Amino acid sequence: DAKTTQPPSMDCAEGRAANLPCNHSTISGNEYVYWYRQIHSQGPQYIIHGLKNNETNEMASLIITEDRKSSTLILPHATLRDTAVYYCIVRVELSTGNQFYFGTGTSLTVIP
Amino acid sequence: ETGVTQTPRHLVMGMTNKKSLKCEQHLGHNAMYWYKQSAKKPLELMFVYSLEERVENNSVPSRFSPECPNSSHLFLHLHTLQPEDSALYLCASSQEAELNQPQHFGDGTRLSIL
Repeated sequence: DAKTTQPPSMDCAEGRAANLPCNHSTISGNEYVYWYRQIHSQGPQYIIHGLKNNETNEMASLIITEDRKSSTLILPHATLRDTAVYYCIVRVELSTGNQFYFGTGTSLTVIP
Repeated sequence: ETGVTQTPRHLVMGMTNKKSLKCEQHLGHNAMYWYKQSAKKPLELMFVYSLEERVENNSVPSRFSPECPNSSHLFLHLHTLQPEDSALYLCASSQEAELNQPQHFGDGTRLSIL
């Protein structure tokens, strides 16, 4: 029962913008959307998060649709070091508490 | 450098052994987490501690026993594990154990059960 749906893989040319989509059609009103990435053999790295409004930081921009059922992570100028698996996550409220639920992710390859 | 350090990086143990995983965070955070990442599966939350008090236990078998002696250190004690427990175990921390807090992860301990 996936909370998020992402394409399994994408390629992006170095220096171009990488646009990574995510569907989260069952998201509830107070559940945040997070993006993390995991470079091989390392722990997940926080990128950005948001609730309703678009967000931007030094790493990326997050665009959330008005109905909140999908979002896009934008890496404005992809570099080779951005090659990683990118996870779109929804923080789900369970009866036992809140769970930070990772989906299966998108493997992004930045091509020279 | 993530501010969250896990040791050891790799651990191989038999099913009858007792071992412990260690996590230390240098970020001044109040919440710490243990996750399990099995091959080709989403990350699974195991335990959440807030100010050294366990606030979540997601139906984890008793052969995994967490310990949080202070807000900077978190341990996972392992006893009589099964082969299916082989996985990457990740520790994370956040400022508070709140819905809108980003979590900072360590690089994990790769555990193999023989």
